[in-house]
Amino acid sequence: RKEVEQDPGPFNVPEGATVAFNCTYSNSASQSFFWYRQDCRKEPKLLMSVYSSGNEDGRFTAQLNRASQYISLLIRDSKLSDSATYLCVVTNTGGFKTIFGAGTRLFVKA
Amino acid sequence: GAVVSQHPSRVICKSGTSVKIECRSLDFQATTMFWYRQFPKQSLMLMATSNEGSKATYEQGVEKDKFLINHASLTLSTLTVTSAHPEDSSFYICSAHVLAGVLYEQYFGPGTRLTVT
Repeated sequence: RKEVEQDPGPFNVPEGATVAFNCTYSNSASQSFFWYRQDCRKEPKLLMSVYSSGNEDGRFTAQLNRASQYISLLIRDSKLSDSATYLCVVTNTGGFKTIFGAGTRLFVKA
Repeated sequence: GAVVSQHPSRVICKSGTSVKIECRSLDFQATTMFWYRQFPKQSLMLMATSNEGSKATYEQGVEKDKFLINHASLTLSTLTVTSAHPEDSSFYICSAHVLAGVLYEQYFGPGTRLTVT
């Protein structure tokens, strides 16, 4: 079993749709959780950190469920520019061991 | 956010030659940097952790004599791919940690696309 698992997609959605991604992790001692966005042939960029209380940044909402060991990302009112691969990232041991999910590809169409 | 640069962004080399990739933190000091490799449609795989002033820590399966890492200053880490082969062709990305509140956030360089012919 992979340490961090994501549905690879692709998710094909129309503009304005709401889309949700889930990610599961196997290490119950994992400490920090993030969603990164990666555009084709570019480096990953931090989208948002994920806190136990849940957090929202504009159209993006992230949730963490420690009991079930999954994190989620909700994108509302999808834009064409949201098309990218979304990486679920988990860190352990004080943030010095970072594990990336394989990513979920999102295509937003006009 | 913090800025990390990488150079070169793209390099093509012949099999058997060595290639050096530089990773710099531009507006902060990074005692620890990380080197990743990403094959097409796959996730980033951590190759090694680069520690300023000491030896790098390599992940299992990564040959330390092939992938030489030097972290001579608080703003520069280098990765040298020695005796490159076509199977070393990949996207190499470095990153550095920045403490943001109680969490470490990673900031990535723009990556180096290596093609070995």
